[in-house]
Amino acid sequence: GAGVSQSPRYKVTKRGQDVTLRCDPISSHATLYWYQQALGQGPEFLTYFNYEAQPDKSGLPSDRFSAERPEGSISTLTIQRTEQRDSAMYRCASSLTGAADTQYFGPGTRLTVL
Amino acid sequence: AQTVTQSQPEMSVQEAETVTLSCTYDTSENNYYLFWYKQPPSRQMILVIRQEAYKQQNATENRFSVNFQKAAKSFSLKISDSQLGDTAMYFCAFMKDTGRRALTFGSGTRLQVQP
Repeated sequence: GAGVSQSPRYKVTKRGQDVTLRCDPISSHATLYWYQQALGQGPEFLTYFNYEAQPDKSGLPSDRFSAERPEGSISTLTIQRTEQRDSAMYRCASSLTGAADTQYFGPGTRLTVL
Repeated sequence: AQTVTQSQPEMSVQEAETVTLSCTYDTSENNYYLFWYKQPPSRQMILVIRQEAYKQQNATENRFSVNFQKAAKSFSLKISDSQLGDTAMYFCAFMKDTGRRALTFGSGTRLQVQP
């Protein structure tokens, strides 16, 4: 597509529920990143993919967080048993390759856990 | 590990004037990349400018330019002829040239352009 898209744009859920966020990167881009952005802060790295491989998930805060990119294009980020501290903006970015290419960000998903 | 520091939480500038946003970083890497991203009220994250550390020439994009001082680990953004549409949160970011190319962001500077 023309840009990175994410859905839903807003998600409100209750504590303990599972949520899945979706990212659709720029179609020619091999590398996809997930970031978490707390209010008033810069984004922080969660994990990334080169095509379908996930070389680094060291930024995931706990084992409740997982991500997939099974066909090397669309990616999902799943948070199980959500907690209030998971409330944040979740941003996806893609770049052409895994080298030093510029990352282009999607509009983000704002997650609120009640 | 890399750190990025933006010491100005908020700044204000009059329309048509010039403003400079500061950013310093700490790294042991020799080759890396620096970025400024803009986050307007819509909360999109938009690339403003990019600088390669191996290039001595400062990057410029229309009204936006940087002052990159590698020895001082400083990377400031100058906005000339400020416009109301420049009102946004500005984030400085660092990326290594090896290994994981995740961005490390500063905490941001909120810029308000006054009419």
